[in-house]
Amino acid sequence: RKEVEQDPGPFNVPEGATVAFNCTYSNSASQSFFWYRQDCRKEPKLLMSVYSSGNEDGRFTAQLNRASQYISLLIRDSKLSDSATYLCVVNKGPRDDKIIFGKGTRLHILP
Amino acid sequence: SAVISQKPSRDICQRGTSLTIQCQVDSQVTMMFWYRQQPGQSLTLIATANQGSEATYESGFVIDKFPISRPNLTFSTLTVSNMSPEDSSIYLCSVLGLAGGHEQYFGPGTRLTVT
Repeated sequence: RKEVEQDPGPFNVPEGATVAFNCTYSNSASQSFFWYRQDCRKEPKLLMSVYSSGNEDGRFTAQLNRASQYISLLIRDSKLSDSATYLCVVNKGPRDDKIIFGKGTRLHILP
Repeated sequence: SAVISQKPSRDICQRGTSLTIQCQVDSQVTMMFWYRQQPGQSLTLIATANQGSEATYESGFVIDKFPISRPNLTFSTLTVSNMSPEDSSIYLCSVLGLAGGHEQYFGPGTRLTVT
């Protein structure tokens, strides 16, 4: 099993729709979870951290299921500017500052 | 989050030569990292740049090929030595955030093409 696994997409979604991405991770000892966004030819940028209780930031909701080792990202009322690659990121283990990136899910918002 | 700059932003180099990439941060940071992102791939950690001691390399990466310096808490360099076309990639430095949650912030990257 890969350390961090994501559906590569692409997801082609009409503007205004809701879209959800999932990610699974293999190390049950991982403690920190993130979603990053990467635009074409740009560096990854932190979108949001994912907390055990779930968290919301505007149109974005992230959830963590530790039992299933599963992370999700929900984008509501999608905008054209949401088109990007979304990277699921997990830290390697307890007290480990190294992080592992999934290969990313490409999202295209269609006008 | 810290402001991170990298130089050069891009370069085209001939095989067999070396290129040194600089990473400058606007504040002191404890942890700095170097990554590679090959075309169409996700990020792979090359090494952790340690201030005052040798860098810690990940499996598959060696100091002779990717020497790293970290002379202080705001600056690091990565050298790609004896380059081949397979080294064509984007090289990114990152720093550990201050919130204590393992989040990292990235420089804009250096796009390297080896001919």
